[in-house]
Amino acid sequence: GQNIDQPTEMTATEGAIVQINCTYQTSGFNGLFWYQQHAGEAPTFLSYNVLDGLEEKGRFSSFLSRSKGYSYLLLKELQMKDSASYLCAVRSTGTASKLTFGTGTRLQVTL
Amino acid sequence: DAGVTQSPTHLIKTRGQHVTLRCSPISGHKSVSWYQQVLGQGPQFIFQYYEKEERGRGNFPDRFSARQFPNYSSELNVNALLLGDSALYLCASSFSVEQYFGPGTRLTVT
Repeated sequence: GQNIDQPTEMTATEGAIVQINCTYQTSGFNGLFWYQQHAGEAPTFLSYNVLDGLEEKGRFSSFLSRSKGYSYLLLKELQMKDSASYLCAVRSTGTASKLTFGTGTRLQVTL
Repeated sequence: DAGVTQSPTHLIKTRGQHVTLRCSPISGHKSVSWYQQVLGQGPQFIFQYYEKEERGRGNFPDRFSARQFPNYSSELNVNALLLGDSALYLCASSFSVEQYFGPGTRLTVT
């Protein structure tokens, strides 16, 4: 089975940097995804890590350590529109491209 | 290009009824997955189909079934609806690794 943990809520100030952590335990690992989900909307893809290290994409970066079962999403230069839920998801090995999601971290960006 | 589309957007059903939800993947995507998202939780995997064959099934009862058509669109069927089936049902299509989600169908069971 798989277990994914991430903080329930976080608050940060506009213009600041925030790091959202995700730890996972899995019987078969084939990549880790981060999605952003605004209230009432579908998740949108942010990043994908399958090898250890940092992936940078504009204001967003994601890090993976497979040996530690750990990832983080780093958001820089926060904007009000970044207020959303951030979902960590692990892709399992096997024929199905099944994603197992954490419960999500609700980020509130304040002035 | 159009993204993943789902219909209907919203649906209200009564306990015991059945429901059919529909999904059209992004053009060229042959894989479709279905997820259930209860309020305040992350999406939970229900099914994956690839080239009209079931590739994976999550921990859901047999009341849940799905199929994929030759044009790669898909239907999710739920029989004998329970109050607990109220959720956002998401469809995701993929070509390789990344999954693209549709807007979802909000199902309310009363």
